[in-house]
Amino acid sequence: AQTVTQSQPEMSVQEAETVTLSCTYDTSENNYYLFWYKQPPSRQMILVIRQEAYKQQNATENRFSVNFQKAAKSFSLKISDSQLGDTAMYFCAFKQGGSEKLVFGKGTKLTVNP
Amino acid sequence: SAVISQKPSRDICQRGTSLTIQCQVDSQVTMMFWYRQQPGQSLTLIATANQGSEATYESGFVIDKFPISRPNLTFSTLTVSNMSPEDSSIYLCSVIRGTYEQYFGPGTRLTVT
Repeated sequence: AQTVTQSQPEMSVQEAETVTLSCTYDTSENNYYLFWYKQPPSRQMILVIRQEAYKQQNATENRFSVNFQKAAKSFSLKISDSQLGDTAMYFCAFKQGGSEKLVFGKGTKLTVNP
Repeated sequence: SAVISQKPSRDICQRGTSLTIQCQVDSQVTMMFWYRQQPGQSLTLIATANQGSEATYESGFVIDKFPISRPNLTFSTLTVSNMSPEDSSIYLCSVIRGTYEQYFGPGTRLTVT
């Protein structure tokens, strides 16, 4: 079974700085997708960024980018120019190709300090 | 993205009672998903609901405890039956939009006393 590991339960960063959240996963499949979701305090889960395993190019969405290392099964999220509104729980998630099921990591609580 | 609403947004229920959570999507979708997020924890898939067929439950979840209805392509309900304090969680529904992205509703925060 696929597993997703987020080794940093909590992190903090100063406003305007850059922070990287780690995620590793375990799968024997070649066709899969990876996601980062953001869950602000008491607010809705939001899809931040997605990566298809067959794409070598790392995904980027404005201040959010990923470092996808397929051989190492690593999928880290980099947040540049951190803003107070980035304070949230961040979940890494895995989806196998052909399945709709998402497998989530335990999450990283990110606090952006003013 | 998808516009997904859930009712109720939160509730406090007594042990032994049942609560039905509603999920409404702004357009038709084939599959709807129900997740549970226990306090301070990650999300766990409870079941997948397809219109016109029985829901498919994940290991550890059973229909008697979490019956699901899917009467049409924009609506689903999840019932949490015979509740105990261990059922205190956030319950979220989600749908797929685009090729494979899942979008989540705002969640229902359930407290069982």
